[in-house]
Amino acid sequence: EVQLVESGGGLIQPGGSLRLSCAASGFTVSSNYMSWVRQAPGKGLEWVSVIYSGGTTYYADSVKGRFTISGDNSKNTLYLQMNSLRAEDTAVYYCARVQIRWFDPWGQGTLVTVSS
Amino acid sequence: EIVLTQSPATLSLSPGERATLSCRASQSVSSYLAWYQQKPGQAPRLLIYDASNRATGIPARFSGSGSGTDFTLTISSLEPEDFAVYYCQQRSNWHFGQGTRLEIK
Repeated sequence: EVQLVESGGGLIQPGGSLRLSCAASGFTVSSNYMSWVRQAPGKGLEWVSVIYSGGTTYYADSVKGRFTISGDNSKNTLYLQMNSLRAEDTAVYYCARVQIRWFDPWGQGTLVTVSS
Repeated sequence: EIVLTQSPATLSLSPGERATLSCRASQSVSSYLAWYQQKPGQAPRLLIYDASNRATGIPARFSGSGSGTDFTLTISSLEPEDFAVYYCQQRSNWHFGQGTRLEIK
């Protein structure tokens, strides 16, 4: 069964750093495109970042220069390193496999709260 | 940058009724559009891809149509579990529409 499980969320102060993890099972992360999508409380979905199987990465303008997406082949895990966090980064962060250019499946999400 | 606009923002219907949700792109996306369903407290789920193809396990009452700039998600006869928020997404820059909330009337 294809499954994604995120972890690493929590409460962090503005300006702080956090690393999210997304453990995959049933498929190989490095052979797929993988993405992060976030959802602020009560709001819609916002695409954050994607990593292609060859390693090319893209970011939303709102996180460019602050967030870094990467993968660990040995752990079959996707990561999102988030630096210089702001209050507006508060959201549930979902990882998802990219099928062609559609997101399927999604993990259950991990909540990041940026607050002092 | 391609922007997706969904309408209506909220749709109030009763079980058994037909639901029609719209997604309009600011420029042509050909048939490269997907629809997702999100229930409260859950992750989104892929329903439709390439405008009209149902994802694995999606019931036949869900159908998608359209091309270019105008797209429609139709639920032929609403079941209680269909009341949720629906998002469209295009493949050019990964962005989503703002969502349509389908609520019980």
